[in-house]
Amino acid sequence: GENVEQHPSTLSVQEGDSAVIKCTYSDSASNYFPWYKQELGKGPQLIIDIRSNVGEKKDQRIAVTLNKTAKHFSLHITETQPEDSAVYFCAANTNAGKSTFGDGTTLTVKP
Amino acid sequence: GAGVSQSPSNKVTEKGKDVELRCDPISGHTALYWYRQRLGQGLEFLIYFQGNSAPDKSGLPSDRFSAERTGESVSTLTIQRTQQEDSAVYLCASSHPGARGFFGPGTRLTVL
Repeated sequence: GENVEQHPSTLSVQEGDSAVIKCTYSDSASNYFPWYKQELGKGPQLIIDIRSNVGEKKDQRIAVTLNKTAKHFSLHITETQPEDSAVYFCAANTNAGKSTFGDGTTLTVKP
Repeated sequence: GAGVSQSPSNKVTEKGKDVELRCDPISGHTALYWYRQRLGQGLEFLIYFQGNSAPDKSGLPSDRFSAERTGESVSTLTIQRTQQEDSAVYLCASSHPGARGFFGPGTRLTVL
């Protein structure tokens, strides 16, 4: 089955700096990679996603890159703000298979 | 409603009792997942339903845990003889196959 590894498990940055979270996956059939943000006391919410026919996708301060050859994808947050502090999860999906989540990254943005 | 709903939102039970948690997925979503999230930890996969296929139960931690889903509708997660280590938030998500998941608000289970 699919195996997703996520690094780092915790990340602390200064407000205004960039944050990068990386995930690797094992199943070459995976073709859809969503990222979720989970704020304290709430369920995960989708923030950005990418499909395997695209190498990069950007939405304001958030971007995701995908390297299919190396089987890794990354979340980039620029100009971080305190409200970006949350737990971030990556996931990998095949067309018909279940979502496999990374273990999560706790991001703390210090004002 | 348009989203995934779960009930109850909070459940406090005594050790040894059985509990049943309910998930109402988004209509039309054939995939349904249950996850457990202990305080300050990541999402722990429990079980996955996809249409009429046999469910993937590989994440269930013990035989005290079971889940059912009839067709593409409601799912129930049952925990028998609850233990204190079962205390967690239980999250349900539904999706189209291979697509983003929509999560419910979760059920916070506290076993005293």
